[in-house]
Amino acid sequence: AQSVTQPDIHITVSEGASLELRCNYSYGATPYLFWYVQSPGQGLQLLLKYFSGDTLVQGIKGFEAEFKRSQSSYNLRKPSVHWSDAAEYFCAAKGFGNEKLTFGTGTRLTIIP
Amino acid sequence: GAVVSQHPSRVICKSGTSVKIECRSLDFQATTMFWYRQFPKQSLMLMATSNEGSKATYEQGVEKDKFLINHASLTLSTLTVTSAHPEDSSFYICSASSGAVGETQYFGPGTRLLVL
Repeated sequence: AQSVTQPDIHITVSEGASLELRCNYSYGATPYLFWYVQSPGQGLQLLLKYFSGDTLVQGIKGFEAEFKRSQSSYNLRKPSVHWSDAAEYFCAAKGFGNEKLTFGTGTRLTIIP
Repeated sequence: GAVVSQHPSRVICKSGTSVKIECRSLDFQATTMFWYRQFPKQSLMLMATSNEGSKATYEQGVEKDKFLINHASLTLSTLTVTSAHPEDSSFYICSASSGAVGETQYFGPGTRLLVL
């Protein structure tokens, strides 16, 4: 079955430190991959997406993600986090020819001063 | 670009009444719209997929007679929760896409429903 796994439920990072959020997928073929961010009580905002081509994708708000086929991973990174980055982060995937998104369970990011 | 709005953002209603939630794509034509439900501190659960001009496809376990979905135009889909009960209280989020293979889903801000 197709699935997306985010191994970390909750991560705490100091402001200014680097960040990496993990995402692994299980699909028959490489899916389209997405990272979304959700602030409390809000909808989801697209951070970046990978369809094909360059495996290092630059997104909004200083985020980037790297697709690694050998590891079936699409980890999200940011070199220096800001207090405003505190939110819930969802990794999602969609198979070719399939309309539906499969979401991971999310990672809650807490930023400490 | 790719902005999706939802209305209302919050609604409180009495048990037994019906509530309609609107989802609009403001700057693109959405051939496909999706309705999700999200429980506190959980991921999104897909309720149904709707294509403009055709009946919605509901996920297993979602009551189609309770959650009525209409996608009458390329920019508007509505979700009506009929005869709402307290257990229907939740955060409802819609998303929209242009339907092309691999196209991104853009999400609305969500609607918080509280049924008393």
